[in-house]
Amino acid sequence: QVTLKESGPVLVKPTETLTLTCTVSGFSLSNARMGVSWIRQPPGKALEWLAHIFSNDEKSYSTSLKSRLTISKDTSKSQVVLTMTNMDPVDTATYYCARIRGAVADYWGQGTLVTVSS
Amino acid sequence: EIVLTQSPGTLSLSPGERATLSCRASQSVSSSYLAWYQQKPGQAPRLLIYGASSRATGIPDRFSGSGSGTDFTLTISRLEPEDFAVYYCQQYGSSRSLTFGGGTKVEIK
Repeated sequence: QVTLKESGPVLVKPTETLTLTCTVSGFSLSNARMGVSWIRQPPGKALEWLAHIFSNDEKSYSTSLKSRLTISKDTSKSQVVLTMTNMDPVDTATYYCARIRGAVADYWGQGTLVTVSS
Repeated sequence: EIVLTQSPGTLSLSPGERATLSCRASQSVSSSYLAWYQQKPGQAPRLLIYGASSRATGIPDRFSGSGSGTDFTLTISRLEPEDFAVYYCQQYGSSRSLTFGGGTKVEIK
C-alpha cells in the first residue's frame, strides 16, 4: 500500500525558511521509475508544481521559484525534504507531496496547510 | 515553458448529463505526458487519466480522455453526484517539470 505523508510547521513568519518532510511507504525512493514531487495549492486556487527529485538524486525545480527551493531525500528514512526560503504571505498554501511514476502523480499525500503570517 | 489553459472555468450541469472539459496547450504536448486529475473539497487530487486517454486504476469507464498536439478533452459521459468536483489537466515537460492547468469546476446546476 503506497502512502505519502507531509509534515512540518503550520505557521511560519515572513522571511523565515519553511522545511517540509514527506515520509513515504509502500515504495522505495531508489526505484528507478519513480520520484517525488512537491506541489502546492493556495486557498481556492490551482495546483502549482514546485520541485521534483528522481531516484538517481537528480532534481528539477519550478523556474519561477528555483532560487528559493531545495529538495533532497534520505532513502534510508524514506523521506523527501523541501526547503523554501524567504517565505511570504503569498506562499500560504496547502503543500502536497506526490509520487511521480513516469509522467504522472499517481499517489498524493493528504497535504499540509502552511500559513505565512507575522 | 508550456502553459495549459482549461475551459470553461465553471461548468454547470445536472446529474446524468454529459460533461466535456477542454485543456489547450500553448505548444504541442506529447500525448504520453498528458494527464487529468479530479479534486474534491478538502481532498488531494486523484489521478483519473494518463497518457491522454488511459484510465487510472479504479476509474469508472464514464470518464474518458482524448486529444493530441495542443488540444485535449476529458469527457464524463453521464454525471454522477460524486463527479461534481474540480478537474485539472497536467503535462510533463522536456525540462522534467510538471505543469497544471487552471482547473475546471463542474458544479450542480
